[in-house]
Amino acid sequence: RKEVEQDPGPFNVPEGATVAFNCTYSNSASQSFFWYRQDCRKEPKLLMSVYSSGNEDGRFTAQLNRASQYISLLIRDSKLSDSATYLCVVNPGGYALNFGKGTSLLVTP
Amino acid sequence: DGGITQSPKYLFRKEGQNVTLSCEQNLNHDAMYWYRQDPGQGLRLIYYSQIVNDFQKGDIAEGYSVSREKKESFPLTVTSAQKNPTAFYLCASGGTEQFFGPGTRLTVL
Repeated sequence: RKEVEQDPGPFNVPEGATVAFNCTYSNSASQSFFWYRQDCRKEPKLLMSVYSSGNEDGRFTAQLNRASQYISLLIRDSKLSDSATYLCVVNPGGYALNFGKGTSLLVTP
Repeated sequence: DGGITQSPKYLFRKEGQNVTLSCEQNLNHDAMYWYRQDPGQGLRLIYYSQIVNDFQKGDIAEGYSVSREKKESFPLTVTSAQKNPTAFYLCASGGTEQFFGPGTRLTVL
């Protein structure tokens, strides 16, 4: 079983739409959770950390469900500039991170 | 400006040659990491270093070597023993949250 699993997409949505991505992880002892954004042929950039209580940053909301071992990312009022690949990342403990393969989002005019 | 730099951006290598990829950070982070990304795949950890003069193998260390003589620098050598070296190599630093350099695209001809 893969440690971090994501639907690869692509998700094609019109501008202004709301879109949600889910991610599951296999290690129940995992301690930290993140969403990164990666543009084509660029490095991943930290979008937000995911806390047990959930957290929001502008149009982006992240949720963590430890019991079901999944993480979600909700993007409201999608912009063309949100088009990218979104990586779900889990720290199972220690320094190393486990990366999902990413979910591709394309926002269209 | 604080950040992580990697050089070169693109690198072409003939089979049988060793090459060294540079990674420098001025974020004063103790820990540094090397990842490899293949098309459609998640990032995989090659090596990481928590402090100067110490480093540990990641999931795919075979055919690679590193050194950590200075806090700011963590160079990666791709040796001729690495069977499929063509990939996008990403250096990161940080603790719970990791921040990436712009990457080096290595192509073996």
